[in-house]
Amino acid sequence: EDQVTQSPEALRLQEGESSSLNCSYTVSGLRGLFWYRQDPGKGPEFLFTLYSAGEEKEKERLKATLTKKESFLHITAPKPEDSATYLCAVQPSGSARQLTFGSGTQLTVLP
Amino acid sequence: GAVVSQHPSRVICKSGTSVKIECRSLDFQATTMFWYRQFPKQSLMLMATSNEGSKATYEQGVEKDKFLINHASLTLSTLTVTSAHPEDSSFYICSAPGQTYNEQFFGPGTRLTVL
Repeated sequence: EDQVTQSPEALRLQEGESSSLNCSYTVSGLRGLFWYRQDPGKGPEFLFTLYSAGEEKEKERLKATLTKKESFLHITAPKPEDSATYLCAVQPSGSARQLTFGSGTQLTVLP
Repeated sequence: GAVVSQHPSRVICKSGTSVKIECRSLDFQATTMFWYRQFPKQSLMLMATSNEGSKATYEQGVEKDKFLINHASLTLSTLTVTSAHPEDSSFYICSAPGQTYNEQFFGPGTRLTVL
């Protein structure tokens, strides 16, 4: 059974304090690993897709990396507007494109 | 990126009534759409896969007679919660894949409250 575990559950940072969020996964075969941002009462907003170990992608203050067992979302010098829940999801090989999500990390960046 | 809309964004109903939620792909066609449910402070759980022109595929534990899915066209899927009860109160989100496997577009969600 595919499993996605995210840690920590919640993270509070001061503005400018860099940190990383972790996503560990177990899947029979990985087609892609997705990172989304979700604001309260809204649907997930796409951030990145990673396909193979060693791959990295960046967007503004965010950088996602992938290994064979986990992915990290690095946040550099975060701002209060980065506060949100960050969701990690895997798309197994052979799936009909549906995603299996982790429980998310709720990030709060204090001014 | 492509846009997926949902209607309504929020609905409050009495126990025993049925509620229909619409999911539309606005500028692209989607032969497949996915319906997720999200309880407070929890992640998205896949309920079912909606297929245009054929029956929906439900995940284990999801009652297909309670959560009716109709994929009426290449841009519209509907989820009807029949005989809703308070335990059905949740945030329902749909998504549609893009043309490639690396695209998955989510709607803004529908907050259902059953009194």
